[in-house]
Amino acid sequence: EDKVVQSPLSLVVHEGDTVTLNCSYEVTNFRSLLWYKQEKKAPTFLFMLTSSGIEKKSGRLSSILDKKELFSILNITATQTGDSAVYLCAVLQSYNNNDMRFGAGTRLTVKP
Amino acid sequence: GAVVSQHPSWVICKSGTSVKIECRSLDFQATTMFWYRQFPKQSLMLMATSNEGSKATYEQGVEKDKFLINHASLTLSTLTVTSAHPEDSSFYICSARIAGRYEQYFGPGTRLTVT
Repeated sequence: EDKVVQSPLSLVVHEGDTVTLNCSYEVTNFRSLLWYKQEKKAPTFLFMLTSSGIEKKSGRLSSILDKKELFSILNITATQTGDSAVYLCAVLQSYNNNDMRFGAGTRLTVKP
Repeated sequence: GAVVSQHPSWVICKSGTSVKIECRSLDFQATTMFWYRQFPKQSLMLMATSNEGSKATYEQGVEKDKFLINHASLTLSTLTVTSAHPEDSSFYICSARIAGRYEQYFGPGTRLTVT
């Protein structure tokens, strides 16, 4: 059965801390892995990873994919209270398949 | 760029009535749109995939006669919840994909409450 597993499910840190969120997957016909940030409403797109070992970076956020070990990590350095959100990992399967399978999400709370 | 809107943002309706939710891609053409449902503190569950000009593909367990999807143009898809019941109360989110790309861009969601 295809699955996307995120860990931890929730995390509480203080401003300035660095966090690492994990996403592992077991799916058929893997195509890409995507990270989203969801605050109060709809998720906003962060990264899409297709190739193994290539880090994608945007400000204090970075992410990398390991297709051999079937996981990805999302790093956030120097966290701020505005980083508090649910971070969703999703896997896109195959080229012609439109399905995007989401993990349960990691709820990050950054305290002042 | 890649802005998706949804209307309404929230709606309250009575049991037995139907509700239509619109999803629009504002600055791009979306050959494919997706409809998700999200329960409190849970992740997104894909309901159906909608391709412009053709019938929607529903996920297993989603009643296509209850959740009618129409993708009339490259910028508009609608979800109609027919004969709504309280258990249909949920947060419905649409997303759209730009032709030739894989990432999806999400609308702000519609909170439906059925009384």
